[in-house]
Amino acid sequence: AQSVAQPEDQVNVAEGNPLTVKCTYSVSGNPYLFWYVQYPNRGLQFLLKYITGDNLVKGSYGFEAEFNKSQTSFHLKKPSALVSDSALYFCAVRGWADTGRRALTFGSGTRLQVQP
Amino acid sequence: GAGVSQSPSNKVTEKGKDVELRCDPISGHTALYWYRQSLGQGLEFLIYFQGNSAPDKSGLPSDRFSAERTGGSVSTLTIQRTQQEDSAVYLCASGAGGASPYEQYFGPGTRLTVT
Repeated sequence: AQSVAQPEDQVNVAEGNPLTVKCTYSVSGNPYLFWYVQYPNRGLQFLLKYITGDNLVKGSYGFEAEFNKSQTSFHLKKPSALVSDSALYFCAVRGWADTGRRALTFGSGTRLQVQP
Repeated sequence: GAGVSQSPSNKVTEKGKDVELRCDPISGHTALYWYRQSLGQGLEFLIYFQGNSAPDKSGLPSDRFSAERTGGSVSTLTIQRTQQEDSAVYLCASGAGGASPYEQYFGPGTRLTVT
């Protein structure tokens, strides 16, 4: 079984400050890791994914995420937060050997609030 | 189309009635997923279609839930004899398919309210 934990229900950060949204995972074998963002009344939008290679992955809107195998983490980061980054963020994992199923297992989400 | 579309955007139904939710995936995407997002919860996998293969129904919560995908494109999720606990946002996603870890593209969802 695979699982994702997002330990923070909400993260508050001031505009211009760096932000981190935490994610840890549990999966058999090598993981495929994803971050999605959900704006109010809109569907989920893909931000970035980690497959293999460089542990630092860059994605949309200036976001990046760092894969740490020893800590089984995939934290989302951004050097300078914008008010428009305020949204609900989901981390997701898919196992390498998932018997053919390609569905993602999602965390419970973290609400990011960026104050002006 | 430019993205995944779903209809209706909102559906209010009485307990015990049947409902059908529709998903139009991105053209050419062979993989299609249904997820459910309950208030304050993460996304729960329901069912997965890949090309002409038998669908993975392992996430369906009960036999009141079913889905089909016609012609490898449009999909319909049907909930029979709806219950109040079925109230949620139902999200459809499509992807390029294949063995590589492709990203999934989500539609805006259908908000189902069972009264």
